[in-house]
Amino acid sequence: QITLKESGPTVVKPTQTLTLTCTFSGFSLSTHGVGVGWIRQPPGKALEWLAIAYWDSDKRYSPYLKSRFTITKDTSKNQVVLTMTNLDPMDTATYYCANTHRAFGYGFIKWGQGTLVTVSS
Amino acid sequence: EVVLTQSPGTLSLSPGERATLSCRASQSLSSDYLAWYQQKPGQAPRLLIYAASNRATGIPDRFSGSGSGTDFTLTISRLEPEDFALYYCQQYGGSPLYTFGQGTKLEIK
Repeated sequence: QITLKESGPTVVKPTQTLTLTCTFSGFSLSTHGVGVGWIRQPPGKALEWLAIAYWDSDKRYSPYLKSRFTITKDTSKNQVVLTMTNLDPMDTATYYCANTHRAFGYGFIKWGQGTLVTVSS
Repeated sequence: EVVLTQSPGTLSLSPGERATLSCRASQSLSSDYLAWYQQKPGQAPRLLIYAASNRATGIPDRFSGSGSGTDFTLTISRLEPEDFALYYCQQYGGSPLYTFGQGTKLEIK
């Protein structure tokens, strides 16, 4: 059974750096074709893809993030970490991690429950 | 930039009716990389359809996907009460790598 869970602070101040951790089980990020991505959803708004880490150490980012986001993976710990710098109130959102696989057309197969991050002074 | 436009924004139907949701892309997509999700209030999205027409594990066969090129459709053949939710389409492989549509809200009439 595949599970993913996001963890990290729920409130951060503007300009601060935020680190979110996705801890997963039921699959390995060293398996060919596997990826773990981050997606966010501001309150009442649509989903927005942020970043993805692949089994082969490739990483991709949304071009709209202006290099503020970094994704890393720790295969031994079954974790993927998203670091966000220079936070702004517009970064307030529920942040999800989800797994993907080439066999599923790289759709996001299983999602974590999400974690609401509020950026406020 | 690949933009996905979903229509209608809101669809009002009754249980038992057929729902047809549209997703139009700003440029031609590979059918291999078009997905649909369902999201209920307070929950994470759930993958319904991948590669345009393949149902994900555990998805009832009243859900079906079709389309190619720039026009894709999610059809729910006979609405059940639990189907009233938000639906998103998503593409992979364009620029940006992933794009989601703005969503269609399926509400009870």
